[in-house]
Amino acid sequence: DIQMTQSPSTLSASVGDRVTITCRASQSIGMWLAWYQQKPGKAPKPLMYMASTLQGGVPSRFSGSGSGTEFTLTISSLQPDDFATYYCQQYGSDSYVTFGQGTKVEMK
Amino acid sequence: EVQLLESGGGLVHPGGSLRLSCAASGFSFSNYAMSWVRQAPGKGLEWVSGIVASGGVTFYADSVKGRFTISRDNSRNTLSLQMNGLSAEDTAVYYCAKDMVVSQPDYFDHWGQGSLVTVSS
Repeated sequence: DIQMTQSPSTLSASVGDRVTITCRASQSIGMWLAWYQQKPGKAPKPLMYMASTLQGGVPSRFSGSGSGTEFTLTISSLQPDDFATYYCQQYGSDSYVTFGQGTKVEMK
Repeated sequence: EVQLLESGGGLVHPGGSLRLSCAASGFSFSNYAMSWVRQAPGKGLEWVSGIVASGGVTFYADSVKGRFTISRDNSRNTLSLQMNGLSAEDTAVYYCAKDMVVSQPDYFDHWGQGSLVTVSS
């Protein structure tokens, strides 16, 4: 099975910081990679698919890159609303999907 | 507006059964695959099961295979998850999620609010 590993697990940052989260796949998944944002007690919010395509309504300060086995999610200037947990998800298999363990972005 | 509304969660004893439902609206339900994703308390997201748009093919995580059954009624825009042989490890919030495609589990572009399942004696 394809395993997804995110780093770091927790990230401490301040408003205005540039933030980068890394997601690594145990085997190549092409660009079949999505990102979600989740706040406590809420459902995940879709951010991005195909590694770099923003979901409608997502601010342009969010960007994604990568292919194969290594991917990144970048927030160019962290805003108060961005403190949350972020998950990557691979959908390169034709019969299952896998999520990373999550990265919590907390206030420094 | 796409809406996914889960129901059927609650407290169940170990070894018991529960059936979750998800009422979908705001999109052409029969044109999209659907999935269930769960989240144990304080833990990450775990994909549980998926079903293609027609309902003819289903997919399961190894952790639930043989115990859970996913189904859909395209005439009623409803997704279901029958859960048997429940254990404490199945305690989680269960989310109904809409795929972007017609076939295999994929990117989930809409999520329900979740339904809590607690397995405890």
